[in-house]
Amino acid sequence: AQKITQTQPGMFVQEKEAVTLDCTYDTSDQSYGLFWYKQPSSGEMIFLIYQGSYDEQNATEGRYSLNFQKARKSANLVISASQLGDSAMYFCAMREEYAGGTSYGKLTFGQGTILTVHP
Amino acid sequence: DSGVTQTPKHLITATGQRVTLRCSPRSGDLSVYWYQQSLDQGLQFLIQYYNGEERAKGNILERFSAQQFPDLHSELNLSSLELGDSALYFCASSVSGGASTDTQYFGPGTRLTVL
Repeated sequence: AQKITQTQPGMFVQEKEAVTLDCTYDTSDQSYGLFWYKQPSSGEMIFLIYQGSYDEQNATEGRYSLNFQKARKSANLVISASQLGDSAMYFCAMREEYAGGTSYGKLTFGQGTILTVHP
Repeated sequence: DSGVTQTPKHLITATGQRVTLRCSPRSGDLSVYWYQQSLDQGLQFLIQYYNGEERAKGNILERFSAQQFPDLHSELNLSSLELGDSALYFCASSVSGGASTDTQYFGPGTRLTVL
């Protein structure tokens, strides 16, 4: 079963508008972390934001915020005031703390969403 | 700049050959992770080392091996290369071994092309 699902292969947004990128996850662990990464066309993976499963507040980092709905197992990324430089692939990822010996420590990634910001 | 360095940036080689990818983690980070990104498989975890010891293993092929040295840099060895091994290989590092709060920072990647 897919552990991380990103249902939007591509999204378009106008410059200066806000955009929400969807992510749902599946885990039976109580302790886990959710991460968002940005991959521009140059290829590097840039860490954006982190949300812990026990965090009561939604995480925020500058223009990025994470809309965490634990009961729905969703961790959507909200980008406010989009900029042309935000055009990139965005990945949602999960790290389970007690996932078993062979998966301990790894990040499981979704398929990604390509965001295009129009001027 | 994440502080994680990877060399080389690009690698072109032939089927059947062997290559070594190198990674230096961020200063102070003890864990190194290797991931493979391909069009058909997406981003896949290969292996994790923590302070010199193998910590976790993913879907790493037997033709692939890795190690972490006392200075904490890591190498990923790929042998008997096949066309399907062409991919972007990332190294990431983190402070600790596996807490779910532990953020992994990625290097720029090594793009491997097998001809």
